[in-house]
Amino acid sequence: EVVLSQSPASLSVSPGGRATLSCRASQGIGNYLAWYQHRPGRAPRLLIYDATNRATGIPARFSGSGSGTDFTLTINGLRLEDLAVYYCQQRTNRPLTFGGGTRVEFK
Amino acid sequence: QVQLVESGGGVVQPGGSLRLSCKVSEFAFRNYPMHWVRQAPGKGLAWVAVISYDDKNKYYADSVDGRFTISRDNSKRTLYLDMSSLRPEDTATYYCAKSGLSGFDWLSYFDTWGPGTQVTVSS
Repeated sequence: EVVLSQSPASLSVSPGGRATLSCRASQGIGNYLAWYQHRPGRAPRLLIYDATNRATGIPARFSGSGSGTDFTLTINGLRLEDLAVYYCQQRTNRPLTFGGGTRVEFK
Repeated sequence: QVQLVESGGGVVQPGGSLRLSCKVSEFAFRNYPMHWVRQAPGKGLAWVAVISYDDKNKYYADSVDGRFTISRDNSKRTLYLDMSSLRPEDTATYYCAKSGLSGFDWLSYFDTWGPGTQVTVSS
């Protein structure tokens, strides 16, 4: 099983600032990593797939990078609606696995 | 707009059974693998099961294998999850999720999710 470790567990960012979230895989997964935003009481929302591709309708302030075992999600110009928990997910091997999440809050 | 809506959640005693449904609209349901993902209280997301687009292949997380059964009715555009021998640790919000890739490739990301249905296993 591929274990995904996300850091930090919680992140405080000033409004309009930049958030940098990390996801590390226990083994190489190529670029088969996705990022999701999950706000309380809402359905999770796909942001990035295959490490760098923005999903339909996702604004350009969200960007993904990385390959192999180390991946990053960057959110520029943080807005109120970006306050959420963010999860990474790998699709290389069964079972499909998620990271433990990073909570993004306003400073 | 693609929509997925889950139903069937509720409170059930340990050892009991429950059937979840997920009605989908606005996409070629029969072309896509479909998944169930859950989130226990205070925990992260966890993949539960997947069914191939043609209903011929099904895979489960070890934690539910042998107790849960995923199925689909393409004519009704509906996905199901039959849960039996339920345990307190199955308490979670259950989401159905559409595979981002069509056809045979079920090792996918999830491009659309339903709002979820709550399952509570408690005596």
